[in-house]
Amino acid sequence: GAVVSQHPSWVICKSGTSVKIECRSLDFQATTMFWYRQFPKQSLMLMATSNEGSKATYEQGVEKDKFLINHASLTLSTLTVTSAHPEDSSFYICSARTGLTSSYEQYFGPGTRLTVT
Amino acid sequence: AQTVTQSQPEMSVQEAETVTLSCTYDTSESDYYLFWYKQPPSRQMILVIRQEAYKQQNASENRFSVNFQKAAKSFSLKISDSQLGDAAMYFCAYRSEPGYALNFGKGTSLLVTP
Repeated sequence: GAVVSQHPSWVICKSGTSVKIECRSLDFQATTMFWYRQFPKQSLMLMATSNEGSKATYEQGVEKDKFLINHASLTLSTLTVTSAHPEDSSFYICSARTGLTSSYEQYFGPGTRLTVT
Repeated sequence: AQTVTQSQPEMSVQEAETVTLSCTYDTSESDYYLFWYKQPPSRQMILVIRQEAYKQQNASENRFSVNFQKAAKSFSLKISDSQLGDAAMYFCAYRSEPGYALNFGKGTSLLVTP
């Protein structure tokens, strides 16, 4: 149980275009999902926290208008990179947690590699 | 803000030997959670072990155990009988409330040699 999927696993897009990344909790309802960004050989940096049905909370320095996050259902959150540029190329990882108070761990998706040419 | 420090960018261990990865953190909270995650080349984050700060007993999972020193704010991971499959990046992570995100250290790259 507790499987999180991400789609696509790898995407290449041209500079100036937008790309959407989906994060799904397959066998549980995720009241909260987190989006992380990871550059090569670096750690995971939190971009934003999204709660189902409400606006995402972005970390300082993350452009809200560039990284649009939607958490429309208890099993799906999406990250849209708008007007992508080469510097947006990175590995994006989502994680999800249930609403159960006894749950104290996050379940990670396999990540999405974004390459902007 | 809480900070997590992993002072060993790279570590190497021979197969079947034991290795310890270090992690320190800074917090003013009394209740929190600590984690070790493994990230193999596939980049899938895998939970290795977790520790609740209110529990004095050190957590252990098979060959993996931690040495949790709350007063010293230290949380090291010991891997016993190392296997080739243990080679990966290891991240130490801190979390306060259950709803909060994880705060990761910079990671330690573990190399396992035959």
